Amino acid sequence: EDQVTQSPEALRLQEGESSSLNCSYTVSGLRGLFWYRQDPGKGPEFLFTLYSAGEEKEKERLKATLTKKESFLHITAPKPEDSATYLCAVQVLITPMDTGRRALTFGSGTRLQVQP
Amino acid sequence: ETGVTQTPRHLVMGMTNKKSLKCEQHLGHNAMYWYKQSAKKPLELMFVYNFKEQTENNSVPSRFSPECPNSSHLFLHLHTLQPEDSALYLCASSQAPQGAFNNSPLHFGNGTRLTVT
Repeated sequence: EDQVTQSPEALRLQEGESSSLNCSYTVSGLRGLFWYRQDPGKGPEFLFTLYSAGEEKEKERLKATLTKKESFLHITAPKPEDSATYLCAVQVLITPMDTGRRALTFGSGTRLQVQP
Repeated sequence: ETGVTQTPRHLVMGMTNKKSLKCEQHLGHNAMYWYKQSAKKPLELMFVYNFKEQTENNSVPSRFSPECPNSSHLFLHLHTLQPEDSALYLCASSQAPQGAFNNSPLHFGNGTRLTVT
């Protein structure tokens, strides 16, 4: 069964204190790994797609990396406006033999709070 | 217009009521989805439509009934819900259905916060 685990569940940082969020996965046939940001009362907002181990993507203070077992979302010198829940999702290629298998599996998210 | 619009934003309904959630996407996407989001749980896929055809029903109780009249609109009809159905219901769209060769990400609306009393 495909599994996606995010840690920590919650993280509190001081403004400027860099850290990393983890998304570990056990799937076969990885097609892509997505990172989303979700603000309270809103839907998830797409951030990055990573396709293969060793790949990195950056956007402002965020950098996402991917290995064969996990992905990290590094936050450099965070600001209060970076406070949100960060979700990762793993996508696999579905074949007709994959009865009951989901194409996309989400983690439970990491709730990040950055204090001024 | 934002990419994916959901109405209403908030809904309170009794267990005997009938209501509908509406979703509209302005992105020209071909696949649309309903997800349920409960506190501290992963997003739970409910239904998938690809080119207006339902391609997935993730064992959702019949008190939830989806409708997709065209590729831009998606509805979720609700009747005789239970208090445990209270959650944030998210609509999403993507260029191609998940699991296809195109790794297109989902684009979400801001959801409908549903409370069943």
